[in-house]
Amino acid sequence: GAVVSQHPSRVICKSGTSVKIECRSLDFQATTMFWYRQFPKQSLMLMATSNEGSKATYEQGVEKDKFLINHASLTLSTLTVTSAHPEDSSFYICSARYRRGGNTIYFGEGSWLTVV
Amino acid sequence: GQNIDQPTEMTATEGAIVQINCTYQTSGFNGLFWYQQHAGEAPTFLSYNVLDGLEEKGRFSSFLSRSKGYSYLLLKELQMKDSASYLCAVRNTDKLIFGTGTRLQVFP
Repeated sequence: GAVVSQHPSRVICKSGTSVKIECRSLDFQATTMFWYRQFPKQSLMLMATSNEGSKATYEQGVEKDKFLINHASLTLSTLTVTSAHPEDSSFYICSARYRRGGNTIYFGEGSWLTVV
Repeated sequence: GQNIDQPTEMTATEGAIVQINCTYQTSGFNGLFWYQQHAGEAPTFLSYNVLDGLEEKGRFSSFLSRSKGYSYLLLKELQMKDSASYLCAVRNTDKLIFGTGTRLQVFP
């Protein structure tokens, strides 16, 4: 079964609204989670590293005020796309490292966002 | 900068062997992953190499040469269900940096 759960799997929102995507680690504590975005037929692009109890670290070119990341607990990280635009429509995937320093990285099931 | 290159597309015949290459130039290296991704789904883990050499796991094998910045994924006895994208990813400290992915189509 899944060890990292994402919700919702699909969401449609109107331009200008905000949408929240949750990423939960099941049965383990994830001090670090990662958020990726994937456009059709392209590879995964790392957006940000979510650290429990501290601010997220964003990759170059990713707007931190637009993509709000909150890692309030050891099992939950959220990505909020604020003031969404059609160009934000994409597949968003989170991942979590199984244990500190470990090599096992689990991915969530992904969330399809469509902004209309 | 970070640069990870893979062929964009490959085709092969059912039952055959295919090798998907990945070359990388990254600021740091803590291992290399291969993932399989079917359209619209999250990636699934295939292999992890941190030392040079070949790692074999059933029909799939992965090779790494750190000095050459090179890896390949070898798929044997291809099946139709192996049609998917294959992503090479380099681990740099905690981050995974993905290559562009290789779309493999297996024909009967």
